[in-house]
Amino acid sequence: SYVLTQPPSVSVAPGKTARITCGGNNIATKSVHWYQQKPGQAPVLVIFFDSDRPSGIPERFSASNSGNTATLTVSRVEAGDEADYYCQVWDSSGDPWVFGGGTKLAVL
Amino acid sequence: QVQLVQSGAEVKKPGASVKVSCKVSGHTLTELFVHWVRQAPGEGLEWMGGFHPEDGETIYAQKLRGRVTMTEDTSTDTAYMTLSSLRSADTAMYYCATEAAGKFDYWGQGTLVTVSS
Repeated sequence: SYVLTQPPSVSVAPGKTARITCGGNNIATKSVHWYQQKPGQAPVLVIFFDSDRPSGIPERFSASNSGNTATLTVSRVEAGDEADYYCQVWDSSGDPWVFGGGTKLAVL
Repeated sequence: QVQLVQSGAEVKKPGASVKVSCKVSGHTLTELFVHWVRQAPGEGLEWMGGFHPEDGETIYAQKLRGRVTMTEDTSTDTAYMTLSSLRSADTAMYYCATEAAGKFDYWGQGTLVTVSS
């Protein structure tokens, strides 16, 4: 099965830029989706098809996908961005829908 | 706007089965692909199963095959997930979510299933 690797945690000061990576073999050939999950809440889709934002998601959330790494970027980080973030892809081998292990974004 | 409302929390004994429901509104169930994702306490998201358009059938995660069944009642726009032979490792929050083009657009609020003797 396809494996997605995320760092367990990322810390950033308010107003700064946070970057959360998602590693996978030739991940650039896949569409990567990102979810935000705040404590006690269901996940919310924040980025789809590598870099598109659903309506209602602030422009501060952006993403890219190249080589073996996809990256979610949160600009001008706010306290309310503190959450767990998960990347996800669809793969034709093994279990098709695959999630990364998740990254806890801590706002200092 | 699609909304998914799930049934309430469950406490089950090891070896029992649990059936979780997911009521869809805003669209009919026939227009949507409902999948199930679970999350053990303090852990990440785990895909459990859902409709696979290319296969034309519902498929299940390899580790759950034989224990999980996903069904739908289109007359009530309700999807169901049944997990049998429960064990403590199945204690988790269970989410239904709509799938489109490989992503999960809308999520239910979650149903906590606790397996304890």
